Formats: sequence, structure tokens, C-alpha cells
Amino acid sequence: DTGVSQDPRHKITKRGQNVTFRCDPISEHNRLYWYRQTLGQGPEFLTYFQNEAQLEKSRLLSDRFSAERPKGSFSTLEIQRTEQGDSAMYLCASSLAGTDPGRTSGANVLTFGAGSRLTVL
Amino acid sequence: AQKITQTQPGMFVQEKEAVTLDCTYDTSDQSYGLFWYKQPSSGEMIFLIYQGSYDEQNATEGRYSLNFQKARKSANLVISASQLGDSAMYFCAMRVMDSSYKLIFGSGTRLLVRP
Repeated sequence: DTGVSQDPRHKITKRGQNVTFRCDPISEHNRLYWYRQTLGQGPEFLTYFQNEAQLEKSRLLSDRFSAERPKGSFSTLEIQRTEQGDSAMYLCASSLAGTDPGRTSGANVLTFGAGSRLTVL
Repeated sequence: AQKITQTQPGMFVQEKEAVTLDCTYDTSDQSYGLFWYKQPSSGEMIFLIYQGSYDEQNATEGRYSLNFQKARKSANLVISASQLGDSAMYFCAMRVMDSSYKLIFGSGTRLLVRP
């Protein structure tokens, strides 16, 4: 297993175009998370899946954003009608389902991909 | 609401010396977990160390240790014997105690190791 893969690594697009990012998680991980990171900030949660079900969406995820995880394997994040404010790094992470976090055995570490950097001109 | 605060935007350290990166957190949960990640210029978030709130001993992983002070709600990262390759952004994060188990992150500290 080579970890979490994201594609493309870099995307430059013009305002108003649609873009799609793909994430391939670690195969045995049933949870998949999308985060957005702007320059100089920490990652911000967008949405997550358990298997194929999308269980939570952040208010950051406007109706121009849609995420899918068909068959509980890879996931796609699509941004429609991109705006300059969408320029950011989009990070994908995967993990096993959580257990009690209060002890080391409950860590269920999120493993991140290298991210997809979007620049909207 | 849970929150992570990292008050050091940037830090310098001389190669081979130790450095402490600060992290304070806010939560009303009794059970929680704290993480440190490293993000080099390549962009990938690399897991370094984890501390559970019930763990009585401070976590250690090689040159990384976590100075966990529960009463003060701090979880500082200590890197011993700094190396040039330690130059990167460092993020403190906390696991949210709901069904999502998502992480919330601080704003990060940029560490530069001087030769």
C-alpha cells in the first residue's frame, strides 16, 4: 500500500470552470475526509465519508461543491463555477473508524495525501 | 466549542539543539486526543505523535516528545537534536469527540533549522 494518493497535484483553471479532484485512500480505511488549506492556515474540514455514505458537510462546502465516494473506495471532489476564493490546497485523508480517543489505542491516525493545489485565475 | 491555538507563527533553532513548539487547546470533553503533524514544502501532512487525554505518560516517538499538561490544557511538541530536514510547518490538532472523529487544526508554526 502506497498511502493516500491525490490527483492532480496541481490545477490551474479560469474562473467559472469546473474542476474535479480524485482521492484514493488506504484500501482498508473506511473513513475518508476532505480538508481545504489556504496559505498560512491550518487545514479546515470540508466533509467526510464512512464507506460510501457522506455523513457530514461543513458550512464551508457551498452548493458549488460536491463530493462522492462510490462503492466506498476512491472519492471525488468537484467544484463547479470556480471562483478566485476557491484557490487553495485540497487535502484528502483516510482512517479507520474512530474509537475512544482518550488513549493511545484510540488514535486512529488520519493519513493524508500530498494534496491538490488549485489556482483559479 | 473546541479550539486549538498555536501562538508562534515562526521559530528558529540551531541544528542539533532542542526546540519546543507551543500548543494550547480548549475542550469540555473528558476524552480527547491531540496530534502533531509536520507539513514540509511538498505539502503532505506527516503524522508525528499522538497523546490521549487519559494517557498518564507523555508520548514519545524517537526525537519527538509531547509535553502534555492537562490542567493547563497545553500539548507542546519538543523536538530534540534538530536536523535540517526538520524545517517545515508544524500543526497541532485535536480529535473532535463526535461521530465524525474529524481533526481540528491550529494555524501552525513554521520552524527553520539553521546550520
